[in-house]
Amino acid sequence: EPEVTQTPSHQVTQMGQEVILRCVPISNHLYFYWYRQILGQKVEFLVSFYNNEISEKSEIFDDQFSVERPDGSNFTLKIRSTKLEDSAMYFCASSWTGNSYEQYFGPGTRLTVT
Amino acid sequence: GESVGLHLPTLSVQEGDNSIINCAYSNSASDYFIWYKQESGKGPQFIIDIRSNMDKRQGQRVTVLLNKTVKHLSLQIAATQPGDSAVYFCAENPMDSSYKLIFGSGTRLLVRP
Repeated sequence: EPEVTQTPSHQVTQMGQEVILRCVPISNHLYFYWYRQILGQKVEFLVSFYNNEISEKSEIFDDQFSVERPDGSNFTLKIRSTKLEDSAMYFCASSWTGNSYEQYFGPGTRLTVT
Repeated sequence: GESVGLHLPTLSVQEGDNSIINCAYSNSASDYFIWYKQESGKGPQFIIDIRSNMDKRQGQRVTVLLNKTVKHLSLQIAATQPGDSAVYFCAENPMDSSYKLIFGSGTRLLVRP
């Protein structure tokens, strides 16, 4: 069964450093998403992406965040200057349509900012 | 404002019994309500959804009930199995957005052998 993959599984970085989280969505999906989950809290929407542009973003997704689909398979989330409060599990998801309840989630990347 | 929340943080059930996980929401303008299951170390996994114009939907061993009058959503799992142990999230898809899910805070289901 096709699945969303994410790398790395765990990323440790120092405050102020840039990080890039990588995702490979399901191959025939057209819509891509990033969510985050701070330890012990609920999953929060960050951004959705379709047709090479951002469709919607939350207030969390400020100027420090960016997304890119550099080729036909990868979808990346970049945090330019990490803060301690960016420490969380970051989930990539993808869907065939824009009906977001059909989203398939990857296993997540745990980001630890020290 | 937008808010989806869960009544109980942990639910412990005996294997073979039925489980009921509850969720309250405050945003009336949602098109779909969805249940996700999250096992340790994994991403959320879609279980079942229900559209706002329905009040019940059944899947394999699972049933979702929607009561719009009291803004309440529940997930019923029949004959709970050890593999059902996980955190369960309700989520909603607002009508003014086709791109995002708003998740509740999660209920941990523990299945006793």
